[in-house]
Amino acid sequence: EAGVAQSPRYKIIEKRQSVAFWCNPISGHATLYWYQQILGQGPKLLIQFQNNGVVDDSQLPKDRFSAERLKGVDSTLKIQPAKLEDSAVYLCASSTIRVSGYTFGSGTRLTVV
Amino acid sequence: AQSVAQPEDQVNVAEGNPLTVKCTYSVSGNPYLFWYVQYPNRGLQFLLKYITGDNLVKGSYGFEAEFNKSQTSFHLKKPSALVSDSALYVCAVRDNSGYALNFGKGTSLLVTP
Repeated sequence: EAGVAQSPRYKIIEKRQSVAFWCNPISGHATLYWYQQILGQGPKLLIQFQNNGVVDDSQLPKDRFSAERLKGVDSTLKIQPAKLEDSAVYLCASSTIRVSGYTFGSGTRLTVV
Repeated sequence: AQSVAQPEDQVNVAEGNPLTVKCTYSVSGNPYLFWYVQYPNRGLQFLLKYITGDNLVKGSYGFEAEFNKSQTSFHLKKPSALVSDSALYVCAVRDNSGYALNFGKGTSLLVTP
């Protein structure tokens, strides 16, 4: 089966610019997650969708970050405006409802200069 | 909330020696525990998981983990380390409400020849 697809793989932007990341989960996976991983640290959950509804966005900096999952399939994560501390790898993952397995994409490495 | 802690930022071991990467957990109810590995510039790779059953879980690449309920630990082990095992190892627990994974901060493993 195809894995979780993410694009772009790399992005370099200047601070105060905007950026968007795209994720296509595994077909049939109802739940989609966005994680932020600072270099050398474990991933931190930003937002979790089930179908096209938000389950948890308690750690999403809503003043600058937004995410949507239209039609319960693909998802986009946007940052506007970006700050230097947003430099990280943004990981997308998907799972079936209540399953114990998760599939991660390769991530998008964002560098804010 | 369910959480895990990884007390060591870095573990150094000589090639051929046994290795242990520590993880402790804090959960209400039965824990679903995971180990992932991340090589430089790569995504998260699943190693193994504990859901129920045998306390010794065997995973990929010769790794295993021991679930200890009394010590609330889920340490990752390998009998004989390889230089190629050098990577970031991240422990995670599944949240019992939304089913997202909550990750530890990660432990960097360095295996020297």
